[in-house]
Amino acid sequence: GDSVTQMEGPVTLSEEAFLTINCTYTATGYPSLFWYVQYPGEGLQLLLKATKADDKGSNKGFEATYRKETTSFHLEKGSVQVSDSAVYFCALSTYGNNRLAFGKGNQVVVIP
Amino acid sequence: DTAVSQTPKYLVTQMGNDKSIKCEQNLGHDTMYWYKQDSKKFLKIMFSYNNKELIINETVPNRFSPKSPDKAHLNLHINSLELGDSAVYFCASSQDVGSNEQFFGPGTRLTVL
Repeated sequence: GDSVTQMEGPVTLSEEAFLTINCTYTATGYPSLFWYVQYPGEGLQLLLKATKADDKGSNKGFEATYRKETTSFHLEKGSVQVSDSAVYFCALSTYGNNRLAFGKGNQVVVIP
Repeated sequence: DTAVSQTPKYLVTQMGNDKSIKCEQNLGHDTMYWYKQDSKKFLKIMFSYNNKELIINETVPNRFSPKSPDKAHLNLHINSLELGDSAVYFCASSQDVGSNEQFFGPGTRLTVL
């Protein structure tokens, strides 16, 4: 079945550091890929998405590129802020299959 | 003008009780979902309804019964609550079954004592 794998463990880094969170996927067909963010005490918000190979999703300084050859959708931000502290989820869905498959999430903590 | 709203935000109850969580969306979407997020933040879909019809029912105990009175509402009733039901439950909606962008509610934190 469709699945998403995110790197293990929380990520702690200093303000203005470069952030990368790895995400790889397994899917039949051609999935759409998403990054959702969950701020403390809140629900999930869509951060960015890409619907076909080589598409780049971007929002709030975050970027992720849909790489079909490596089945990856890694999230990056060049200079993080304390306000970026949250849990980040990678997810996929395939057309006509409206269930989202989520990765396990990564807690990101940005220290001033 | 909250897009997807849930009530209550927190729910603390004893084992064996029956409780309900309500969800409403004002986006005009046809499809709604319930997800469960466990203590390790792992999210898993439980149910999905399209235009009041059940279309996804994952391997969820039959103590969980969703009800959709109209396409803007999807409520979750849980009978005979167990300790393992403690989690955060998220409601979500999407335009239709072919739309893969989902909008999430703020969550309901259920604690079973």
